[in-house]
Amino acid sequence: GAGVSQTPSNKVTEKGKYVELRCDPISGHTALYWYRQSLGQGPEFLIYFQGTGAADDSGLPNDRFFAVRPEGSVSTLKIQRTERGDSAVYLCASSLSDRRGEQFFGPGTRLTVL
Amino acid sequence: GIQVEQSPPDLILQEGANSTLRCNFSDSVNNLQWFHQNPWGQLINLFYIPSGTKQNGRLSATTVATERYSLLYISSSQTTDSGVYFCAAANDYKLSFGAGTTVTVRA
Repeated sequence: GAGVSQTPSNKVTEKGKYVELRCDPISGHTALYWYRQSLGQGPEFLIYFQGTGAADDSGLPNDRFFAVRPEGSVSTLKIQRTERGDSAVYLCASSLSDRRGEQFFGPGTRLTVL
Repeated sequence: GIQVEQSPPDLILQEGANSTLRCNFSDSVNNLQWFHQNPWGQLINLFYIPSGTKQNGRLSATTVATERYSLLYISSSQTTDSGVYFCAAANDYKLSFGAGTTVTVRA
């Protein structure tokens, strides 16, 4: 079946602009996660959704970052007033359930802030 | 969160050689995963192995949860095995990743 999909695959924006990154999880997966991977490092946790609600947003770096999942499926990560330090690959993952589920990752969105 | 350390950081192999990658973690876990990140950045699931031993073709993995480590074995390596291997662990739902092992297999 289809895996996790993310759009766009690449996004180039200017400092100060607003961006939205989209994630479509594996069908039937109730848990959804966002991670961020900087060059040469492993991914770092940003936010976790169980169903429609953000169960844990402790990894979001500041209040410029926000994510939603209004119908419990597709999620959008929103970044306001982008900064050059936001440049990274943003990865989305999903799992069948929450605390013991194997996580499957999408191909990522490479965000470049000029 | 859980601290995850991977060793070695870099590994250069001749095609056909065997190798072992190690992952140490700082706390008890309910999730331990090994990934291969391909050159396009996609994380490919290799093993979901919070405990025990699993094998998939030329790859196998063992997690000794009581001693807080996991091992990934690559046998008869091929050039297509090149890339970065990540270990990730969680005791809830937040995966903590190690820094990865970069494997280069030379023909």
